[in-house]
Amino acid sequence: SQQGEEDPQALSIQEGENATMNCSYKTSINNLQWYRQNSGRGLVHLILIRSNEREKHSGRLRVTLDTSKKSSSLLITASRAADTASYFCAFDRGSTLGRLYFGRGTQLTVWP
Amino acid sequence: DAGVIQSPRHEVTEMGQEVTLRCKPISGHDYLFWYRQTMMRGLELLIYFNNNVPIDDSGMPEDRFSAKMPNASFSTLKIQPSEPRDSAVYFCASSSGTSGSTETQYFGPGTRLLVL
Repeated sequence: SQQGEEDPQALSIQEGENATMNCSYKTSINNLQWYRQNSGRGLVHLILIRSNEREKHSGRLRVTLDTSKKSSSLLITASRAADTASYFCAFDRGSTLGRLYFGRGTQLTVWP
Repeated sequence: DAGVIQSPRHEVTEMGQEVTLRCKPISGHDYLFWYRQTMMRGLELLIYFNNNVPIDDSGMPEDRFSAKMPNASFSTLKIQPSEPRDSAVYFCASSSGTSGSTETQYFGPGTRLLVL
């Protein structure tokens, strides 16, 4: 498959805990992005990490990228009930400019 | 900017009818994408345009689906005739490719289509 694969498919945690989601891919990439989708809404971009970067932070989000393992992780620290959503990774293969390849997503539920 | 605008937000139609979904991308963006999302198949790319020209339509399910982009500020996705299996949420997204790499895509709110 050309798409990314997220792991786990579903994650359920308590408020205050950290949530870690993983993404694996099979081709070389230019960049990898994470998106969030609240129920009934469109996807919203969270963060982009380029192939020459290893870690990036944005607020409570931390993204890592290991190009040797072809994997990325998204860490949400001190989670809140409002973080409940589906999270998707998407990558740019470089060979098809403009197009992103999306995974199936991880459904995160944060219980108050 | 108002973001990507899609209409209608909801559409209920009967099998065999023609359905037209509309999208207005963010001004200045040169890429436009049509996606379909279902529980079974996840998020699927149907077709995408660069500077109003279709680049890849390999995701279009069959000849019943067609998409056009007559100008930089408008695109349509048409299904004729519609079938119950076309029921899904259809998203339009746009992005800017001026950096030379694939950057952030901005998604519209989606059109929820139900074909009875």
